[in-house]
Amino acid sequence: DAKTTQPNSMESNEEEPVHLPCNHSTISGTDYIHWYRQLPSQGPEYVIHGLTSNVNNRMASLAIAEDRKSSTLILHRATLRDAAVYYCITAGGTSYGKLTFGQGTILTVHP
Amino acid sequence: KAGVTQTPRYLIKTRGQQVTLSCSPISGHRSVSWYQQTPGQGLQFLFEYFSETQRNKGNFPGRFSGRQFSNSRSEMNVSTLELGDSALYLCASSLEGDRGLGYTFGSGTRLTVV
Repeated sequence: DAKTTQPNSMESNEEEPVHLPCNHSTISGTDYIHWYRQLPSQGPEYVIHGLTSNVNNRMASLAIAEDRKSSTLILHRATLRDAAVYYCITAGGTSYGKLTFGQGTILTVHP
Repeated sequence: KAGVTQTPRYLIKTRGQQVTLSCSPISGHRSVSWYQQTPGQGLQFLFEYFSETQRNKGNFPGRFSGRQFSNSRSEMNVSTLELGDSALYLCASSLEGDRGLGYTFGSGTRLTVV
């Protein structure tokens, strides 16, 4: 699984969009890109995943660079409940249950 | 549908004792993974079980072990507890445990070793 690099922290104001970047320059061609978030005292929560094309769901959008070496998680309108640690993870066919978490990005949302 | 259930939620043990933690996956999920989370090391992968077989293992000492039952429920055991084993232990279940797809995490068991 490719190593991922994320900023340690980011801040946003409530109801503004947030773009969380992630670099994964050594990603393999068949590795998926996953985003999880973790709220205090809870387990990580799935946010979104993608392979090559941009993806949207009710929580967020995932924009994947054409060369797949980076991606951006987009929260369209941040709320206070979005304050969490966001993890970007890549995983391939032989990951067998293993998600390699980095330090993640601590997102602070201001009212 | 019911989520991933971990029991107990909190546990206090004495150094040298052993402990067993339990994880009930989402119905139909055959893969169960275990993670240790500490402030210093973050989230670290312990091991994964699929259809009662350990398929993957992280870099932890042999004091950490696990097993999976035929109904996919899993337990992890830590023997001869050390103070450094104090952590949040999380399990995650998925259908196949493949390519990181479809993982759901439990809320964890907070283990304190005194």
